[in-house]
Amino acid sequence: DTGVSQNPRHKITKRGQNVTFRCDPISEHNRLYWYRQTLGQGPEFLTYFQNEAQLEKSRLLSDRFSAERPKGSFSTLEIQRTEQGDSAMYLCAGTREMNTEAFFGQGTRLTVV
Amino acid sequence: GQQVMQIPQYQHVQEGEDFTTYCNSSTTLSNIQWYKQRPGGHPVFLIQLVKSGEVKKQKRLTFQFGEAKKNSSLHITATQTTDVGTYFCAGPGSSNTGKLIFGQGTTLQVKP
Repeated sequence: DTGVSQNPRHKITKRGQNVTFRCDPISEHNRLYWYRQTLGQGPEFLTYFQNEAQLEKSRLLSDRFSAERPKGSFSTLEIQRTEQGDSAMYLCAGTREMNTEAFFGQGTRLTVV
Repeated sequence: GQQVMQIPQYQHVQEGEDFTTYCNSSTTLSNIQWYKQRPGGHPVFLIQLVKSGEVKKQKRLTFQFGEAKKNSSLHITATQTTDVGTYFCAGPGSSNTGKLIFGQGTTLQVKP
């Protein structure tokens, strides 16, 4: 247990629906990252928060995706109008400082049917 | 763009055999990290290498960082069934935010 909590663990949704995932990082970790992982691939970076500020977004993050980290604590990732190609594991990770060990949550597995 | 590549993609070994996975970056890295992901699990940090030519050991695992800081390897001596999983290397992205660029991983299967 890394101390990073993600909810829900699994989500099945119909195409076109909106979904929201939550990540609760370790309280000391002011840096928070979202990654997406598909089968047989390594995690791909989506977005980065330092405290409450979203400082980087990947080109993978289309305008249907939005992320927030109010008050620099938990974070949410919302996907609007889901598509089948959004099916993946969404991982949240926190670090204490840059270029240090990343603590990953257990992920939310999204299936779009 | 920046890429991190790993080979092989899969490796099946008999318990007790050795295993090695290789990681190559398209750019020079300030450091490289290795993670292990068990089936159905999430990536778990193993180690970070920072210095050119650095070698670190964790019990049966030996990690190396190349002299040019563009490649790395993980070697497991005398594999055990508990070593099963996917091993990822990851380097920092060029944007200096601490994001990680992961290789596609090497999945290790160990036959008892």
